[in-house]
Amino acid sequence: EAGVVQSPRYKIIEKKQPVAFWCNPISGHNTLYWYRQNLGQGPELLIRYENEEAVDDSQLPKDRFSAERLKGVDSTLKIQPAELGDSAVYLCASSLDALNEQFFGPGTRLTVL
Amino acid sequence: AQRVTQPEKLLSVFKGAPVELKCNYSYSGSPELFWYVQYSRQRLQLLLRHISRESIKGFTADLNKGETSFHLKKPFAQEEDSAMYYCALSGRNTGNQFYFGTGTSLTVIP
Repeated sequence: EAGVVQSPRYKIIEKKQPVAFWCNPISGHNTLYWYRQNLGQGPELLIRYENEEAVDDSQLPKDRFSAERLKGVDSTLKIQPAELGDSAVYLCASSLDALNEQFFGPGTRLTVL
Repeated sequence: AQRVTQPEKLLSVFKGAPVELKCNYSYSGSPELFWYVQYSRQRLQLLLRHISRESIKGFTADLNKGETSFHLKKPFAQEEDSAMYYCALSGRNTGNQFYFGTGTSLTVIP
């Protein structure tokens, strides 16, 4: 079992460009999380999915961020257009359900120039 | 508001010395508290959760509702304990929203 898979691991883009991150959770995990982690800070939840339904997206900046989890498995997080302040590590995590342990992916380190 | 505070960004202790990483929280109701750890070049992973009431790698944490604290303790620190530690909170009152603290970087000096 590879655990939670994320790609790409690193991404460098210029501001105003679009970017997308992909996450494949552990098989059988119904709950999927996207976090953003700024330098020197803890992870901040952006959105949580229960199967294919987004049940908590209150921290997602909806003017430029979007996410989807088609078929309740893989998920994609998109930023369009990216801003300098979006530079961060984007973490994906999954769990059997919202009450169980979260398993984290390796993260995608985004640098916006 | 539901928040987690880790007052120490950096903590250094000598090998064999006791270590305590502090975590305070604010929450209306009965929270679930967790400690996550990230070793160098590894993924963030769960260390322990308060409902388990177990010791992992010699670490324990007791939920003190009176002081709203969930400090992580180990009587004798080891070099392999050097890592980043995050306290986290969840609870039904917040729809199981997850909140992480800012983390404490622990260095165990040989």
